[in-house]
Amino acid sequence: GAGVSQSPSNKVTEKGKDVELRCDPISGHTALYWYRQRLGQGLEFLIYFQGNSAPDKSGLPSDRFSAERTGESVSTLTIQRTQQEDSAVYLCASSSVTGSYEQYFGPGTRLTVT
Amino acid sequence: AQTVTQSQPEMSVQEAETVTLSCTYDTSESDYYLFWYKQPPSRQMILVIRQEAYKQQNATENRFSVNFQKAAKSFSLKISDSQLGDAAMYFCATILTYKYIFGTGTRLKVLA
Repeated sequence: GAGVSQSPSNKVTEKGKDVELRCDPISGHTALYWYRQRLGQGLEFLIYFQGNSAPDKSGLPSDRFSAERTGESVSTLTIQRTQQEDSAVYLCASSSVTGSYEQYFGPGTRLTVT
Repeated sequence: AQTVTQSQPEMSVQEAETVTLSCTYDTSESDYYLFWYKQPPSRQMILVIRQEAYKQQNATENRFSVNFQKAAKSFSLKISDSQLGDAAMYFCATILTYKYIFGTGTRLKVLA
């Protein structure tokens, strides 16, 4: 079946604007993660969704960041009033919560704030 | 706190040779999973190999194998017969409940 998809693949925005990033997980995967990856860095956990449970938002860096997910489908990550330090690749991953917990990653959205 | 450390920011290997990437971790869990992910320039993270901590046998996937030393909390990745397509960032990771903890990565260069 189809893998995890993300859109847009690249986004250039002006400082102060809001952006919305989208993630389509693999069908049937109840768990969904958002990560931030700054240039040359590792993955920084942002938020985790599991089914209809309350999300783990402990990784969101500020209240300018928010994310939503309806059921076990699409998720959107919104960054309000973007700052230059928000420039990074935003990766989405989904997984089944049974078995090996392998995460399947999307290709990411490269966000550039000018 | 659960941590994953990759002490080699960059490694180089000659094509067809063998290279080992290091990873150490710290966890209070008794049962856990360990992973190596590959991230080529395309940005797509791909699972390379997975190890379950309760299994003593080292995991192997074709040219990729691990040396899992549970007591030492070490989980190194060996790539045999290196190919140009192996050039990428490699991330070691473990899972705490549902949350992945990633190392900072090792950039592998493969020399022709």
